[in-house]
Amino acid sequence: DVKVTQSSRYLVKRTGEKVFLECVQDMDHENMFWYRQDPGLGLRLIYFSYDVKMKEKGDIPEGYSVSREKKERFSLILESASTNQTSMYLCASRSATDTQYFGPGTRLTVL
Amino acid sequence: EDKVVQSPLSLVVHEGDTVTLNCSYEVTNFRSLLWYKQEKKAPTFLFMLTSSGIEKKSGRLSSILDKKELSSILNITATQTGDSAIYLCAVEFNSGYALNFGKGTSLLVTP
Repeated sequence: DVKVTQSSRYLVKRTGEKVFLECVQDMDHENMFWYRQDPGLGLRLIYFSYDVKMKEKGDIPEGYSVSREKKERFSLILESASTNQTSMYLCASRSATDTQYFGPGTRLTVL
Repeated sequence: EDKVVQSPLSLVVHEGDTVTLNCSYEVTNFRSLLWYKQEKKAPTFLFMLTSSGIEKKSGRLSSILDKKELSSILNITATQTGDSAIYLCAVEFNSGYALNFGKGTSLLVTP
């Protein structure tokens, strides 16, 4: 079974803090993704990566950056958290020929 | 403009009813359409559709793609309260393997 894990299920941070969300997959997938999910807006793609050290902007990259130093790990970074970044963050991974598998999500609250 | 549109956005039915959920998409560089079910956690994969007119079936759930109409339907027969969830439609356009999600259909099945 594919396993995608995220470092935290729930996280509370203060405005201006630097926030790291970690995602690890164990299936040697080339492609990894970060989404945020908000009521009424659905899932929106923030960034994705198709290889180590490679990254591509998604639909809403502003205020975020990512890091992929190892194939199995994809990190999402909020350089200076703001209240409008309060959301559910979902990581996903896939190979070229398979479907996309999601992690359990991190519910981030920025106060 | 949304590339993937789902309807209805929400639906309430009684146990035993049959429901049909709709998903339409833009034509540009279509590769595949996927359906996910999301309860109070990460989305779980249901179906991937790439060919028009071929029904995919899993128990009481089935789905079919119509490339001419740029749409797909997800059918659930003999609904149960456990079918209550958000159903997400996602389309893969072109390369890069990122998915474009619709806003989802929230289904509530009442006893």
